[in-house]
Amino acid sequence: SAVISQKPSRDICQRGTSLTIQCQVDSQVTMMFWYRQQPGQSLTLIATANQGSEATYESGFVIDKFPISRPNLTFSTLTVSNMSPEDSSIYLCSVEWPSGRANTGELFFGEGSRLTVL
Amino acid sequence: RKEVEQDPGPFNVPEGATVAFNCTYSNSASQSFFWYRQDCRKEPKLLMSVYSSGNEDGRFTAQLNRASQYISLLIRDSKLSDSATYLCVVTANTGNQFYFGTGTSLTVIP
Repeated sequence: SAVISQKPSRDICQRGTSLTIQCQVDSQVTMMFWYRQQPGQSLTLIATANQGSEATYESGFVIDKFPISRPNLTFSTLTVSNMSPEDSSIYLCSVEWPSGRANTGELFFGEGSRLTVL
Repeated sequence: RKEVEQDPGPFNVPEGATVAFNCTYSNSASQSFFWYRQDCRKEPKLLMSVYSSGNEDGRFTAQLNRASQYISLLIRDSKLSDSATYLCVVTANTGNQFYFGTGTSLTVIP
């Protein structure tokens, strides 16, 4: 299995500020995924973070709002920029393990970062 | 149309009951199917994969019906510890996109 450490676990932020969430995996993985789970909703994929290339964003999510870094095969960050109350959500980092076998692995999640924007 | 649709529930069942959840998916070329469990304020965790031939793990049985594009999860002899949200997950036939249903809430009552 893959063990994922995500921080911060929670934060309360002011409107207009930015927050960076960190995700550390105990194994090297090809892709890391960032999801958002709004209250009472299911998980929505924000983007896929690829090491050595730009992240791939899903429809409705843009790099200026959610810049992502992927400096190596075990680490990624997601920044929520210029926050508004609508960004209040749980943000989850995820990897597929075993890595590299498309759609056959299990998704492992970090414990999530619960963000509240005032 | 959503990629994956589930009845959100809630399902409130007595201990020992049998409960079934269904999930439909829109893409006939979907490749893999899973049930994940999410406890309150926790991250989702894999409960079981769903194979074409159906599969069973203890009290849990998962089935796939490709012709009708739905998957099901059956829980027998419900325990209090089964209380959680059950997420249906389907993967695309290309890339690594996992599509999540909105989840079905289950509460097992003593």
